[in-house]
Amino acid sequence: DAKTTQPNSMESNEEEPVHLPCNHSTISGTDYIHWYRQLPSQGPEYVIHGLTSNVNNRMASLAIAEDRKSSTLILHRATLRDAAVYYCILRDKSNFGNEKLTFGTGTRLTIIP
Amino acid sequence: KAGVTQTPRYLIKTRGQQVTLSCSPISGHRSVSWYQQTPGQGLQFLFEYFSETQRNKGNFPGRFSGRQFSNSRSEMNVSTLELGDSALYLCASSPGTREGEKLFFGSGTQLSVL
Repeated sequence: DAKTTQPNSMESNEEEPVHLPCNHSTISGTDYIHWYRQLPSQGPEYVIHGLTSNVNNRMASLAIAEDRKSSTLILHRATLRDAAVYYCILRDKSNFGNEKLTFGTGTRLTIIP
Repeated sequence: KAGVTQTPRYLIKTRGQQVTLSCSPISGHRSVSWYQQTPGQGLQFLFEYFSETQRNKGNFPGRFSGRQFSNSRSEMNVSTLELGDSALYLCASSPGTREGEKLFFGSGTQLSVL
């Protein structure tokens, strides 16, 4: 499975936008880009995913580079509840039923009040 | 709908013992996957079950095993525990029928091996 690279940690002020980057230079044409986040003492929760076009949902936006070798998760107005570890993972749609997902260590986002 | 439920929440064992962890998926979900989370390695895939059959397996030794029942509930067993097995064990459920489905995770079982 293709790997992703994320910064270990980031900080942001409350009520400001946050841009979390993810590099995936070896992405294949059948890889979806998924983002999950893990709040303290909880399991990961789904945030958003996309293939080629930018995506928006109630939680966040996903901006995908034209060459798909990088993507950015955008939290439009960070709150203290957004403090979590954010994971960017690739899921190969041609690998359905044979996925061995590895989340890596993600980006620890700290929100400053 | 109730979420994914994992029991117990915390567990303390000693080396050499075995342990069984339980996961109840969201109603209607047929896929249950298990992950090990440690500070140094992040979340690593253990195995996935779908309709009572192991569909996929990660790179863990044979001491790690699992099973799934007809109601989709799943158990994970670790035999001959080692200190390095101390970790948060997470399970996730999904319908299991489409690629790229969202995974719904439980809160995990924190296992400490002394």
